[in-house]
Amino acid sequence: EVQLVESGGGLVQPGGSLRLSCAASGFTFSTYWMHWVRQAPGKGLVWVSRIYRDGTGTNYADSVKGRFTISRDNAKNTLYLQMNSLRAEDTAVYYCIRDLGTWDVWGKGTTVTVSS
Amino acid sequence: QLVLTQSPSASASLGASVKLTCTLSSGHSTYAIAWHQQQPEKGPRYLMKVNSDGSHIKGDGIPDRFSGSSSGAERHLTISSLQSEDEADYYCQTWGTGMGVFGGGTKVTVL
Repeated sequence: EVQLVESGGGLVQPGGSLRLSCAASGFTFSTYWMHWVRQAPGKGLVWVSRIYRDGTGTNYADSVKGRFTISRDNAKNTLYLQMNSLRAEDTAVYYCIRDLGTWDVWGKGTTVTVSS
Repeated sequence: QLVLTQSPSASASLGASVKLTCTLSSGHSTYAIAWHQQQPEKGPRYLMKVNSDGSHIKGDGIPDRFSGSSSGAERHLTISSLQSEDEADYYCQTWGTGMGVFGGGTKVTVL
């Protein structure tokens, strides 16, 4: 079964850090680009970041550029999102998605809450 | 600037049809888009990709009553024979130069 499972969310104080993980299974992870998308409470979907299949290229939304770092370990079939200097507006459910021309599989998400 | 525009809400009766529209911003009328469904309290799931020529590629297990079409800069999602489980938020999505873009979403209510 094709599956993406996010983990690592939680409550963190403003200015703190968190690392999210996304474990992939049931498909050849290294052949897919991967994305992170987030959804603030009661709001719509917002794209956060993308990484190339081999990890050599990355893209970020302006709102997270310089604070978040996307990476992957193809040997472990895992995608990561290192989030630093967190702000209240980063509070959201974070989803990972695979991409091979279509964003066709989503994880169930992990919740990040930034609050003092 | 690449922008996707959706109406905030739509409604139709049980068993009827509803057609959702996603409009691409000027200069981007040839872009393909994807439709994603988010049922209440659930994560999103991929429905289909709709190309500028109206052809579409559905995700695994998506019922035949979901279909896609195109007209100029508009990309459509039509849901026929509406079921109660179709009550959800529907988002269109595409990829621009180095960034992903989502529409604001359309909330579909089944009357």
